[in-house]
Amino acid sequence: DTGVSQDPRHKITKRGQNVTFRCDPISEHNRLYWYRQTLGQGPEFLTYFQNEAQLEKSRLLSDRFSAERPKGSFSTLEIQRTEQGDSAMYLCASSLWQGREQPQHFGDGTRLSIL
Amino acid sequence: DAKTTQPPSMDCAEGRAANLPCNHSTISGNEYVYWYRQIHSQGPQYIIHGLKNNETNEMASLIITEDRKSSTLILPHATLRDTAVYYCIVLHGSSNTGKLIFGQGTTLQVKP
Repeated sequence: DTGVSQDPRHKITKRGQNVTFRCDPISEHNRLYWYRQTLGQGPEFLTYFQNEAQLEKSRLLSDRFSAERPKGSFSTLEIQRTEQGDSAMYLCASSLWQGREQPQHFGDGTRLSIL
Repeated sequence: DAKTTQPPSMDCAEGRAANLPCNHSTISGNEYVYWYRQIHSQGPQYIIHGLKNNETNEMASLIITEDRKSSTLILPHATLRDTAVYYCIVLHGSSNTGKLIFGQGTTLQVKP
């Protein structure tokens, strides 16, 4: 399967701990997006990369959140000092940008539960 | 990007066509209409997109009105596996960010 993969699928942790998620996009895609989805809501944009450059961050992305895409391939999203409100599904998507946006392809997400 | 309005829920009988409407009355000339769906516990799945002409692929058809203020996604022969939340999103064709702004979508329940 050459789709977007995310790891882990589920993460349970105690409040105050740090967590890191990984996303492997479709190999030829130069754009990578992170979204967050809470129960009963549509996904909300967090941030995106074009190659290794992080080009936009939502105001939802507090200073406890950091995302990287060091070599323009996989990406990591880290949450420091987790809080109850961080419980959500974290979705990654990738697309090919060639001067015009192409459809985004999503992974199945990492579900984070904060105890 | 223009906002969209969708009914919160719809039912459809298995084997019948499912017609999901979307209003986007403030759409501008170079904004595309995208449709995604999300099956429970999975990430969103791209279905189809269009600018002004009707579009068809192996999954669905997209009918856009002549004034582009509304559109309809058609699943020609709905199956139980089409039960999902369907999102209609408007996106500028040359959007710098490409970020998708999801609303609440339409929950489609396909019934046997």
